[in-house]
Amino acid sequence: GQSLEQPSEVTAVEGAIVQINCTYQTSGFYGLSWYQQHDGGAPTFLSYNALDGLEETGRFSSFLSRSDSYGYLLLQELQMKDSASYFCAVIGAGTALIFGKGTTLSVSS
Amino acid sequence: EAQVTQNPRYLITVTGKKLTVTCSQNMNHEYMSWYRQDPGLGLRQIYYSMNVEVTDKGDVPEGYKVSRKEKRNFPLILESPSPNQTSLYFCASRTTGTDSYEQYFGPGTRLTVT
Repeated sequence: GQSLEQPSEVTAVEGAIVQINCTYQTSGFYGLSWYQQHDGGAPTFLSYNALDGLEETGRFSSFLSRSDSYGYLLLQELQMKDSASYFCAVIGAGTALIFGKGTTLSVSS
Repeated sequence: EAQVTQNPRYLITVTGKKLTVTCSQNMNHEYMSWYRQDPGLGLRQIYYSMNVEVTDKGDVPEGYKVSRKEKRNFPLILESPSPNQTSLYFCASRTTGTDSYEQYFGPGTRLTVT
């Protein structure tokens, strides 16, 4: 089977750095993606890691360790608008995208 | 504008009354997929399609049907809706020609079955 584990909630203050972890178990693995979803809205793509290491895109970075079946999303210089749900997703067997249950990030001033 | 559209956006129906939620994309994507989102359960895949006339079950296909007769359209059919299918539904698409597996999501359809 396939499963992903990520924390259900994270809180932080503006300007801080927060890391959202994701561990996965999957048969067949192509890569790990991260999506952001604001309340009631559609998920939007943030990043994708196929190889081990860190990928940086502005204030957001994503990391993957294939040997540990682990990845994380790092958000720096947090802003109020970063308050949202963040989902890790694995591209597994059949290249289907399987999502975790999501982490709700609350940023306060 | 590149987009995925879904209709209707909101629907309230009664148990057993057949309904179809349409999904269309204008990006010439090969891959299309349907998800349902329920509180605390994240996004669960219902069905996906790798290309025209090719569909496959996701994690929660029971009670749903799909078809892919044209590349741009991927309707979701509920033959006999039940209250446990009350949910927020998202259609998504992506190309199979890149390495990023980036999916584009539609705006969502909020379905209530009474």
